[in-house]
Amino acid sequence: DAGITQSPRYKITETGRQVTLMCHQTWSHSYMFWYRQDLGHGLRLIYYSAAADITDKGEVPDGYVVSRSKTENFPLTLESATRSQTSVYFCASSREVQETQYFGPGTRLLVL
Amino acid sequence: AQSVSQHNHHVILSEAASLELGCNYSYGGTVNLFWYVQYPGQHLQLLLKYFSGDPLVKGIKGFEAEFIKSKFSFNLRKPSVQWSDTAEYFCAVRGNQAGTALIFGKGTTLSVSS
Repeated sequence: DAGITQSPRYKITETGRQVTLMCHQTWSHSYMFWYRQDLGHGLRLIYYSAAADITDKGEVPDGYVVSRSKTENFPLTLESATRSQTSVYFCASSREVQETQYFGPGTRLLVL
Repeated sequence: AQSVSQHNHHVILSEAASLELGCNYSYGGTVNLFWYVQYPGQHLQLLLKYFSGDPLVKGIKGFEAEFIKSKFSFNLRKPSVQWSDTAEYFCAVRGNQAGTALIFGKGTTLSVSS
């Protein structure tokens, strides 16, 4: 039972570079989510997706792009990384929007 | 707009002490409520959830939470904590209408000394 996986687990990049964080789930869940976790802020929703080719903004979408060409994958791209995007990024999925979300192991991103 | 408030930023307890972590939310309609736990270096795991029915919800590892609608609260409790309960605890709330996002509190760090 692979569940939900994220890659890479750790990433160091430089300001201005493009970075893509991957998320893959094996449950065929309809909904997928990207959160960032920062000290003092808890988790904040960046983007979510209700199904393949359907995405919507969350609380903090600026500077991020998502796509969902396949149900099982939900990559998050930082088109031009900034230091303020240094964070821990969690992907989550749920069968339906009203059901429990299950989280991946997270990606620690450091932008220098 | 929905919001979640966790009153305690950092709680320090000795083993066998009782635990209560406060969570209050702001939302005008029916809600779904969750407590997640994040052990050091690990991802978030669901402790328990409330959707409807009995307002006293029992979760994993001896945790429970009580939904008090009149107080907009969903406090987490455990009668006797263990060193292994050291973790960060997040309360989360979502309106039960389709399309509403899960809103997290800022988290409470629990440190249990043996």
